[in-house]
Amino acid sequence: DAGVIQSPRHEVTEMGQEVTLRCKPISGHNSLFWYRQTMMRGLELLIYFNNNVPIDDSGMPEDRFSAKMPNASFSTLKIQPSEPRDSAVYFCASSQAGLETDTQYFGPGTRLTVL
Amino acid sequence: EDQVTQSPEALRLQEGESSSLNCSYTVSGLRGLFWYRQDPGKGPEFLFTLYSAGEEKEKERLKATLTKKESFLHITAPKPEDSATYLCAVQVQFNNAGNMLTFGGGTRLMVKP
Repeated sequence: DAGVIQSPRHEVTEMGQEVTLRCKPISGHNSLFWYRQTMMRGLELLIYFNNNVPIDDSGMPEDRFSAKMPNASFSTLKIQPSEPRDSAVYFCASSQAGLETDTQYFGPGTRLTVL
Repeated sequence: EDQVTQSPEALRLQEGESSSLNCSYTVSGLRGLFWYRQDPGKGPEFLFTLYSAGEEKEKERLKATLTKKESFLHITAPKPEDSATYLCAVQVQFNNAGNMLTFGGGTRLMVKP
């Protein structure tokens, strides 16, 4: 099993540029989650999808952030324009909602640095 | 508001020195409590799920327990390879948030040989 796949693994960009992070969930999973992790704030949920539909985006920091899930096997998180305070590690996770375990499995993350 | 607090923030142990990590939670209704391990530069790796007070689960040198207010992750005779950050998270019942997790701040464990 391939697990959750994220790309790129590292991204360095300049302030004001557009950044797109990509995620492929585990095949058969119907829930997908985007998290951000920093030393100061720990692991924070940004948005999550059930069956490709956004359910809760209350964690998205501001309008510069947007996320899409056009199909069950792909999601993107976009930041436009990027700012230095967006520097963090961004994780994608997926789960099979409805089962007793309902466990979220995480990808390796994308380390974003905005200069 | 749901809250999850982990203690201590950091823990240094000698190899073989057993100890426990704490995860205290305040939630409206617990559906499940999850433990993850995170190594530097990697995503959190699932360890255990606990659903009801009194439940225990074990994996190698790790044992997780659950009460109505907290969970403990007991580490017996740890080895240097157990060094990692351990995260706990809660999933809440009866809200519109579905299967969201709320994470604690983590405990960074360092085991010296």
